[in-house]
Amino acid sequence: TQLLEQSPQFLSIQEGENLTVYCNSSSVFSSLQWYRQEPGEGPVLLVTVVTGGEVKKLKRLTFQFGDARKDSSLHITAAQPGDTGLYLCAGARGNFNKFYFGSGTKLNVKP
Amino acid sequence: NAGVTQTPKFQVLKTGQSMTLQCAQDMNHNSMYWYRQDPGMGLRLIYYSASEGTTDKGEVPNGYNVSRLNKREFSLRLESAAPSQTSVYFCASSERSQNNYGYTFGSGTRLTVV
Repeated sequence: TQLLEQSPQFLSIQEGENLTVYCNSSSVFSSLQWYRQEPGEGPVLLVTVVTGGEVKKLKRLTFQFGDARKDSSLHITAAQPGDTGLYLCAGARGNFNKFYFGSGTKLNVKP
Repeated sequence: NAGVTQTPKFQVLKTGQSMTLQCAQDMNHNSMYWYRQDPGMGLRLIYYSASEGTTDKGEVPNGYNVSRLNKREFSLRLESAAPSQTSVYFCASSERSQNNYGYTFGSGTRLTVV
C-alpha cells in the first residue's frame, strides 16, 4: 500500500481549463513536495511546503498543504500544453530528508 | 550545469549477472539517494547516504548494495540481477539531510533484466 495516494491517476483536458490534483494520506508529514516529471527525465522539484495550511503559488500553479499536514493539493489555472507531465507528491516524516512518493497523476493538456 | 549525472542510461542484463550503476553530482550536496520507479508505484527509496561515509537502507533494499565513494559519487550495485529488478533507477541529491531541502534528480538508468 502506498503511503501517499494521488488522484486522479490520469487527467486529459483541453488547453485553458482549470484542474486540481490531490495527494492524500492517513499519516502526518513534516514537509511535502511536488515534482513534475517529463518522459525520459527525472522529476523536477516545483515546491516544498512545511506548515499546515500553507499556500504557495508558482505562476499558474497553486499548492496547498492541509491544516493537519496529511494532504495536499495542486491547482493549475488555465492549463497549457507545456503543463503536460507526471505530477508527483512526496512527503517526509520527521526531520530527516527521506521522502515517500505517491504514484503520480499523469496530466495531458491538449491544444 | 551538469547537476546529477547517471551512467549508463540504458542496460540489458541477463538473470544472475551483476552490474554497478554510477551516480555523480557536482553541486557539493551532502546527501544522496537511489530510487527505483515502476509503473503505478511511484518512486521507492532503495538506499540513501545522509553524508559522506554513511549509508542506510530505504524501503526496498533487498538485492542491492551501495557505496558512497566520496562526497560526489554514490554507486548502486546489483550482485545477481533478477527480472523483478527491471525498472528505471534514479539517483538524487540534496544539499542537506533536513526535510525542507528538495531533491535534484538525474535523468535515470533504464534497466531490463531478461
